[in-house]
Amino acid sequence: DIQMTQSPSSLSTSVGDRVTFTCRASQSISSYLNWYQQKPGKAPKLLIYAASSLQSGVPSRFSGSGSGTDFTLTISSLQPEDFATYYCQQSYTTPWTFGQGTKVEFK
Amino acid sequence: EVQLVESGGGLVQPGGSLRLSCAASGFTFSTYSMNWVRQAPGKGLEWVSYISSSSTTMYYADSVKGRFTISRDNAKNSLYLQMNSLRDEDTAVYYCARVRKAYWYFDLWGRGTLVTVSS
Repeated sequence: DIQMTQSPSSLSTSVGDRVTFTCRASQSISSYLNWYQQKPGKAPKLLIYAASSLQSGVPSRFSGSGSGTDFTLTISSLQPEDFATYYCQQSYTTPWTFGQGTKVEFK
Repeated sequence: EVQLVESGGGLVQPGGSLRLSCAASGFTFSTYSMNWVRQAPGKGLEWVSYISSSSTTMYYADSVKGRFTISRDNAKNSLYLQMNSLRDEDTAVYYCARVRKAYWYFDLWGRGTLVTVSS
């Protein structure tokens, strides 16, 4: 199985900050990397697919990059509604696997 | 409105069975592949199972293979997950999610249904 490792596990930050977190795959997954946001008690929401494509309706402050094994998700200016947990997921091969998540918290 | 609504969760004893349903609306269900994804309390996301639009292809996570069966009824716009031989570690919120085949990402999720396996 492909292992997905996210860092950091948690991040304390403030509104307006530029935030970047990473996701690393245990083997090359080309651009088959997706990012989801999850708020407590809610379903995950797709933000980025194919490593860098912004899902319709998602604010442009979110961006993704990377290919192969190393990927990043960047929020250019953190907004109050962005405090959540973010998961990466590889869709290169089954079993499709998720990272353990990065929780973005108030500083 | 485009949405997925899960149902069928509840409390079940170890070794028991449960059938989850996912009702789709607002889109042409029969043209989309679908997934089940679960999340144990306080834990991350785990993909469980996949079914193609015409039910010709199914995949399962090793953790549920041989115990869970995914199916669908396109006439009823519904997805199912039959769960047998349930274990404590199957306790989780179960989400159904729509799959976009270009890059196999999950673009629409239901709110989830809680399955608790406990004696």
